[in-house]
Amino acid sequence: AQKVTQAQTEISVVEKEDVTLDCVYETRDTTYYLFWYKQPPSGELVFLIRRNSFDEQNEISGRYSWNFQKSTSSFNFTITASQVVDSAVYFCALSAPYSGAGSYQLTFGKGTKLSVIP
Amino acid sequence: DVKVTQSSRYLVKRTGEKVFLECVQDMDHENMFWYRQDPGLGLRLIYFSYDVKMKEKGDIPEGYSVSREKKERFSLILESASTNQTSMYLCASRPGTSGPYNEQFFGPGTRLTVL
Repeated sequence: AQKVTQAQTEISVVEKEDVTLDCVYETRDTTYYLFWYKQPPSGELVFLIRRNSFDEQNEISGRYSWNFQKSTSSFNFTITASQVVDSAVYFCALSAPYSGAGSYQLTFGKGTKLSVIP
Repeated sequence: DVKVTQSSRYLVKRTGEKVFLECVQDMDHENMFWYRQDPGLGLRLIYFSYDVKMKEKGDIPEGYSVSREKKERFSLILESASTNQTSMYLCASRPGTSGPYNEQFFGPGTRLTVL
């Protein structure tokens, strides 16, 4: 069975601080994909990044960066110089082969609510 | 631009009513999903469909059914709404050609209240 744990339920930071959102996953599959989604107050989940299990290279996109470490089964997300617009709920998710079906389930963590205070 | 739309943003129904939540995507995606989101529980998969007239149970299908008569439309049905089905419902779609690689695209959600 797959599992995604986001231990931080809520985080508050002051604008311009850096913040890291933790994600730990469990799966028995050797091929899998990890995702981060952002859910702003409007409600719609927005895709941020995808990473496959064979690519441990870290990624940076503007103020966002992701650190994938298979040794610790973690896929952490860092926002540098946070802004008020970063306030949202962030979900980490895992996708792995799902037996008996032609599709694949996304297993979500419970989310981390980030509040950036001006 | 990729688009998933849901018929209502907010819905209020009474216990015992039959409720239809509609989802439409314009990306010609094979796979469609229904989730519910509750505080402290994250997103949980109710049902998914990988083709027209095909459906698979997710993690919490009890009390729900689905219908997919056309590729672009996936409906979630609450046969007899109960108060414990008060929740945010999210629809998503994804191309079916590349397994787990592609991300899912989400609609804006329907916040359902059952009184």
